[in-house]
Amino acid sequence: GENVEQHPSTLSVQEGDSAVIKCTYSDSASNYFPWYKQELGKGPQLIIDIRSNVGEKKDQRIAVTLNKTAKHFSLHITETQPEDSAVYFCAASKNSGGSNYKLTFGKGTLLTVNP
Amino acid sequence: NAGVMQNPRHLVRRRGQEARLRCSPMKGHSHVYWYRQLPEEGLKFMVYLQKENIIDESGMPKERFSAEFPKEGPSILRIQQVVRGDSAAYFCASSARQTNEKLFFGSGTQLSVL
Repeated sequence: GENVEQHPSTLSVQEGDSAVIKCTYSDSASNYFPWYKQELGKGPQLIIDIRSNVGEKKDQRIAVTLNKTAKHFSLHITETQPEDSAVYFCAASKNSGGSNYKLTFGKGTLLTVNP
Repeated sequence: NAGVMQNPRHLVRRRGQEARLRCSPMKGHSHVYWYRQLPEEGLKFMVYLQKENIIDESGMPKERFSAEFPKEGPSILRIQQVVRGDSAAYFCASSARQTNEKLFFGSGTQLSVL
C-alpha cells in the first residue's frame, strides 16, 4: 500500500520567515495530494490540495509543489504568523471507484511560529 | 453550526466495555468516513459509508469494530470489548458526493481505555 513520509517532525521559525514541509510518497498511482492543518483540540482542516496533473498551486501565503518523477511534494508558507502555529499533515491518495477518499497521511509536522 | 459534529468529545471506558462514537455529517453531505489517529501518528482510514451502506471497510479491524450510517440519525462507530490499544482519537469526515475528495473533518472523539 501507499506510504507517506513527512519531514521535519518539528519546525520552529520566527514570525515573518518562510516555512517548508516536505513529503514523499511510494505509490506512483497516487494522484491527489491534500495538506491539512490541525490546531490543538480540533479536527484537521483542508488548507490546500494539488492534483498530479499540476506542478504547483498557490493560495495567498500558501503554496504546494509536486514532483511526480521524484514522488515528493512540499508545502511552503511565506510571511509566517503566530496563528500559523499548528500540526500540518500531508496526505496522498489514488482514485478508488471514482473517488480519492482513502487518504494516507504523513505523521505530521508541528510548526511553531515565534513572535 | 453546519460543520461535522462528533460526540462525545471525550469518552472513557474500562477494558471490556463498549464504546459508541457518533458523527453527524455536514448538512447536505451523504458520505461519511471514519479515521483513527494514534498518538504521534497520522490519521488512518477505517471505513467509508453512505446512507444504509458500507462502501469500503478495508481499514477496519476484523473483530470488535463495526460502523453504520442509518437512514435516519448519525453514523455510529462501535467498538466492543475495548482494550487499551483502542485508545486514540477517532475522526469522522464527510463529503458531498463520492467524487468529491475534499473531506471535512469533525473535531474528533478522544477515546481513553483504562
